[in-house]
Amino acid sequence: KNQVEQSPQSLIILEGKNCTLQCNYTVSPFSNLRWYKQDTGRGPVSLTIMTFSENTKSNGRYTATLDADTKQSSLHITASQLSDSASYICVDGVRNTGFQKLVFGTGTRLLVSP
Amino acid sequence: SAVISQKPSRDICQRGTSLTIQCQVDSQVTMMFWYRQQPGQSLTLIATANQGSEATYESGFVIDKFPISRPNLTFSTLTVSNMSPEDSSIYLCSVVGRIGNTEAFFGQGTRLTVV
Repeated sequence: KNQVEQSPQSLIILEGKNCTLQCNYTVSPFSNLRWYKQDTGRGPVSLTIMTFSENTKSNGRYTATLDADTKQSSLHITASQLSDSASYICVDGVRNTGFQKLVFGTGTRLLVSP
Repeated sequence: SAVISQKPSRDICQRGTSLTIQCQVDSQVTMMFWYRQQPGQSLTLIATANQGSEATYESGFVIDKFPISRPNLTFSTLTVSNMSPEDSSIYLCSVVGRIGNTEAFFGQGTRLTVV
């Protein structure tokens, strides 16, 4: 079972609208929670990184929230643009000896329609 | 930030052959990783490329199938050996600069199709 689950699997919204993507994680020991954007044919690009002590972090029109008690995170996209069409991947950083291991969700595929 | 050049960007290969993927970073980095992303799946860590020593493989991945080299702090290769159609996937190189809550940077990936 994937230890990082995302919903919805895919989403279509109109340009200019807002949307929220969800992530539930069960990985431990928890170190941080990351959101990445992956355009088709490209590698993932980091949007936000949050430790367990952070509730929210913004990066432009992207705002991530974290509830470490319920092990849930969300990514809110404001005033969507066509260029936001991509896969958004929730990633759990796991404390490990020597280096941090990343556990990836399967992503939410977002399509912003004109 | 780190700029990663990964090549080839894509390839179509015959089954039974091998393909070597290169990953070049524009700065010295401590940790380099190789991931596989199968269609519709999440990224799965294949191995950690260790400079000057053998790579550390995750469960389900073995050195004979995915030999890795890391001759210095800016370069690594992953070879997919004796390929079968099941190896068709995207392979990604990733780096982090230091231990902790730090950025992970990814190459653009190599889309491999085995026919």
